[in-house]
Amino acid sequence: EVHLVESGGVVVQPGGSLRLSCAASGFTFDDYTMHWVRQAPGKGLEWLSLINWDGDRRYYADSVKGRFTISRDNSKNSLYLEMNSLRTGDTALYYCVRSPPGVVGTHYYLYGLDVWGHGTTVTVSS
Amino acid sequence: DMQMTQSPSSLSASVGDRVTITCRASQSISSYLNWYQQKPGKAPKLLISAASSLRSGVPSRFSGSGSGTDFSLTISGLQPEDFATYYCQQSFSAPYTFGQGTKLEIK
Repeated sequence: EVHLVESGGVVVQPGGSLRLSCAASGFTFDDYTMHWVRQAPGKGLEWLSLINWDGDRRYYADSVKGRFTISRDNSKNSLYLEMNSLRTGDTALYYCVRSPPGVVGTHYYLYGLDVWGHGTTVTVSS
Repeated sequence: DMQMTQSPSSLSASVGDRVTITCRASQSISSYLNWYQQKPGKAPKLLISAASSLRSGVPSRFSGSGSGTDFSLTISGLQPEDFATYYCQQSFSAPYTFGQGTKLEIK
C-alpha cells in the first residue's frame, strides 16, 4: 500500500528554522515528482514546492521562495523541506504529496496530486 | 502568478440534489485542472485530473468539464458522504495554485 508519512513538525519561534521529512513507501519513489502543500488552521490549501525525480527541477511559491528549500534522497525514499526565517504566517499543517512525473514543455505540466500524507503541524509562535 | 477563483464559496444542498461548482483561471490553462475533496480532519483526495478524467475509485456521480479558463465540477445525486470542501487546482505552471475552496453543506 502506498504511504507518505511526514515528521518534524514542532513549535518554533519566529525567525527559527526547521526541517520536515517525509518517508515514502509502497511505490517506486524515484518514479514520481513530489510536493509540499500546507493548510493554515481553518484555511484553504496552499501549494508550496515541487521537486522532480532527480532534483533537476524545483519550484516554489512566492510566499516561501528564498526561505524554504525542497530536497529528496531517493536512496532513502525520503522528501525534505528545509524551512528558514520562519514567520507566524507559516503556522500550518504541512502535507507531503506525490504526483506522476510532469510533462516538460513550455511549462512543467502536471496531472494531479494523487497521494497525500496525513500532514505534520508546524506552529510558529513566541 | 495564476489566480484560481472558485464559486460559490459555500453551498447548501440536499441529498439527491445536483450541484455544480465552478473554477475560473486568470489565464488559459488548457485542461490542466484538478479537483480535490477534503473532509474535516482528513487529507485532500484527488477526484478529477485533466479537467474531466475521473480517478479510479471515484463514483461516477462526479464529473468535470471545461478548458481554457472556465471549469466546473458537478455532483449528480448528492450522497451524505459528499458533504465536504472542494478545491480546484491548476497544474499548468508553477506555482500550482489552488482555488479558495467551496464548502458543501447539508441543507
